[in-house]
Amino acid sequence: NAGVTQTPKFRVLKTGQSMTLLCAQDMNHEYMYWYRQDPGMGLRLIHYSVGEGTTAKGEVPDGYNVSRLKKQNFLLGLESAAPSQTSVYFCATGFTGNYGYTFGSGTRLTVV
Amino acid sequence: AQSVTQLGSHVSVSEGALVLLRCNYSSSVPPYLFWYVQYPNQGLQLLLKYTTGATLVKGINGFEAEFKKSETSFHLTKPSAHMSDAAEYFCAVSRSGNTPLVFGKGTRLSVIA
Repeated sequence: NAGVTQTPKFRVLKTGQSMTLLCAQDMNHEYMYWYRQDPGMGLRLIHYSVGEGTTAKGEVPDGYNVSRLKKQNFLLGLESAAPSQTSVYFCATGFTGNYGYTFGSGTRLTVV
Repeated sequence: AQSVTQLGSHVSVSEGALVLLRCNYSSSVPPYLFWYVQYPNQGLQLLLKYTTGATLVKGINGFEAEFKKSETSFHLTKPSAHMSDAAEYFCAVSRSGNTPLVFGKGTRLSVIA
């Protein structure tokens, strides 16, 4: 009964490095989302997916790429990390019209 | 585009006092409305939601919220604050069931003994 699992939980990157954040869900949801949380800014949508093989841009997509090759996994990539991408990243799954979202526990990323 | 405004980035109440966290939204159509709570170093947890039907919505931990279309508001209340209610609270809105949620900036609730 894991729900939504995010890996890693913490990471420190140097400017220019790349990394991939993994979100895995066992809830059989079609919809998955990546949000970033910054102090005083709430949660802002980066990208989302409405099903396997689909992705769409959210409010703040620049500097990020995503892939949804399998229904249960949604990957968020940073090709060339910048200090402005220091944030806490949350993955969520679910359909707005039903029960809302189930969130992962977050990935705290620091770019130095 | 929808937006959500949460009045007050920080609210402080005494234990046992009324909790009132304000949320106003902009939407051109009847919205889907949610309140989430985030405890320190954790993800977000659903408190309650309004999609259709009764405008007074009851959630977990004694919280409730009332959808007021005329005021475009969805304020969160709890009659008596408990120390364990200290957390950050987020209001979120969507214009349809298949549109991603837009979150407010959050309100941090402190409860004073």
